[in-house]
Amino acid sequence: DTAVSQTPKYLVTQMGNDKSIKCEQNLGHDTMYWYKQDSKKFLKIMFSYNNKELIINETVPNRFSPKSPDKAHLNLHINSLELGDSAVYFCASSRQSGTQYFGPGTRLLVL
Amino acid sequence: DAKTTQPTSMDCAEGRAANLPCNHSTISGNEYVYWYRQIHSQGPQYIIHGLKNNETNEMASLIITEDRKSSTLILPHATLRDTAVYYCILRIQGGSEKLVFGKGTKLTVNP
Repeated sequence: DTAVSQTPKYLVTQMGNDKSIKCEQNLGHDTMYWYKQDSKKFLKIMFSYNNKELIINETVPNRFSPKSPDKAHLNLHINSLELGDSAVYFCASSRQSGTQYFGPGTRLLVL
Repeated sequence: DAKTTQPTSMDCAEGRAANLPCNHSTISGNEYVYWYRQIHSQGPQYIIHGLKNNETNEMASLIITEDRKSSTLILPHATLRDTAVYYCILRIQGGSEKLVFGKGTKLTVNP
């Protein structure tokens, strides 16, 4: 059974396009996160949602807009994609203040 | 910025114990020590965490020094599949939800 799943696994797109990445967790957790891992392999938090409310926003450009339709889903929409957005994006979930469990990642390549 | 210091890389022979050190000399009294690992191209995987007592689970053991300024993750019988980057992370109990990843230790298990 998949605990934290992401779609798509790979995403190749042109500069300037708008794209979305989806995340779902079936762990019954109330907090979900987006992390970005760049080409140098540094992993950094982008956003965190608790019970559908934004609680962390780490100076991410406003081209990135997370949306949480319910506690089990946290989607990431990216407008006007830039070359520098190429990275691996990981979704994670946890009970509040609990251990975080990560998804398999979405590999985004902007050409 | 990460508050932990880890060696950049380590090697271990298959079947032997892998001991991964982590220094966290500025740890606060309410900060837990968490360990995650990232196997190539996969999402970070939770291993273990502790506050001040030593901890053991089916994956590993965590030894925290009495002054809590350093810790060691022990994989008792390393296998080739344990080759990964291991991250030691401090996290405030009940505080900010984010995990701050450093550069980690690249552990290579050799046959």
